Amino acid sequence: AQSVTQLGSHVSVSEGALVLLRCNYSSSVPPYLFWYVQYPNQGLQLLLKYTTGATLVKGINGFEAEFKKSETSFHLTKPSAHMSDAAEYFCAVTTYSSASKIIFGSGTRLSIRP
Amino acid sequence: GAVVSQHPSRVICKSGTSVKIECRSLDFQATTMFWYRQFPKQSLMLMATSNEGSKATYEQGVEKDKFLINHASLTLSTLTVTSAHPEDSSFYICSARDRGSVSTDTQYFGPGTRLTVL
Repeated sequence: AQSVTQLGSHVSVSEGALVLLRCNYSSSVPPYLFWYVQYPNQGLQLLLKYTTGATLVKGINGFEAEFKKSETSFHLTKPSAHMSDAAEYFCAVTTYSSASKIIFGSGTRLSIRP
Repeated sequence: GAVVSQHPSRVICKSGTSVKIECRSLDFQATTMFWYRQFPKQSLMLMATSNEGSKATYEQGVEKDKFLINHASLTLSTLTVTSAHPEDSSFYICSARDRGSVSTDTQYFGPGTRLTVL
């Protein structure tokens, strides 16, 4: 079985500051990892994903994440926060053998201070 | 490409009535669609997996007689909440996996349906 833990239900940073959203996973087989963003009353938009290959993954809107197997982590970062980045972020995991079931973390709400 | 729509976006109904929510893949064929439920300020919980032409697979704890899922075509899945009660009020989100994509891991999410049961 797979699981995802997002550390921090709410993160607040100043505009222009580094964004770091933490995600740790648990999986008995090689995981596929995702970060999704959700704006109020909307569905989810895929930011980036890791399946195999390069462990540093670049996504949309300047976000990136690094898969660290030794730390079972997949933290999301962005060098400089914009006001438009304020949203809910979900880390998620699946595996090839799980029939595409995606398990979501509890979410982290990102607030941006002017 | 890879757009998923949901209809309606919002619905308010009286307790005891049934509500149908549609999920459509607009520009691709989806062999598999998923239905999620999201309570305020919480994460998404998978309710069921819907495969075209076969019965849906429900997650543990989800009442299949209450949440009827039909996946009649490769572009449409429906979720019917039968005899809705106030506790069924929630945000329902569907997702779809692209049949033609070599990447079988990516799901495309709909914009969600806000159900309010009075």
